[in-house]
Amino acid sequence: DAGITQSPRHKVTETGTPVTLRCHQTENHRYMYWYRQDPGHGLRLIHYSYGVKDTDKGEVSDGYSVSRSKTEDFLLTLESATSSQTSVYFCAISERGRPSSGANVLTFGAGSRLTVL
Amino acid sequence: GEDVEQSLFLSVREGDSSVINCTYTDSSSTYLYWYKQEPGAGLQLLTYIFSNMDMKQDQRLTVLLNKKDKHLSLRIADTQTGDSAIYFCAERDVDTGRRALTFGSGTRLQVQP
Repeated sequence: DAGITQSPRHKVTETGTPVTLRCHQTENHRYMYWYRQDPGHGLRLIHYSYGVKDTDKGEVSDGYSVSRSKTEDFLLTLESATSSQTSVYFCAISERGRPSSGANVLTFGAGSRLTVL
Repeated sequence: GEDVEQSLFLSVREGDSSVINCTYTDSSSTYLYWYKQEPGAGLQLLTYIFSNMDMKQDQRLTVLLNKKDKHLSLRIADTQTGDSAIYFCAERDVDTGRRALTFGSGTRLQVQP
């Protein structure tokens, strides 16, 4: 168990308000990710982090920012929420697969459902 | 960039085999994954395969890989109602520095009693 906790699990907000989602992990993993899940699109990468203060954009980063001031916490911020950002947001960490393989696997949190009215 | 495609829906009867299909575009050596998502939950890793393999079996699950056609399939034997979920195919990014995965849109498996 990678010990990933997302908060809040559910949030309803209004257009134009700022929103911050938090991802907390307990096992000191270096790589962390934020994905969003929308019907017909699967999961799409928003931002990722490869260490404290080291972050980079994914494919759908417009309108989002992230911060990682501690290894265990990765924050996703919507500076001014829009209805198109209504989605389910998943945090994930990367960890090694079977010891003999070169694979990494992503382990996901339970998700945060955000509704922007 | 990577592109992963799946059919959206599959319905089977309990006890039958299910086959979920996926196509991917990356031509380099890579890892390919299957994840399962139950309602209201996160994604759970089922299995993964390296692109130099043809097949991998794990209990009721069989993964088949056709490298020439870039086609990946997941076969679930003796499908149960508890197998009803969304199944995602994923490919590891060519930019392995990111260690990120690119996902298909998911196949919803409905198992009828």
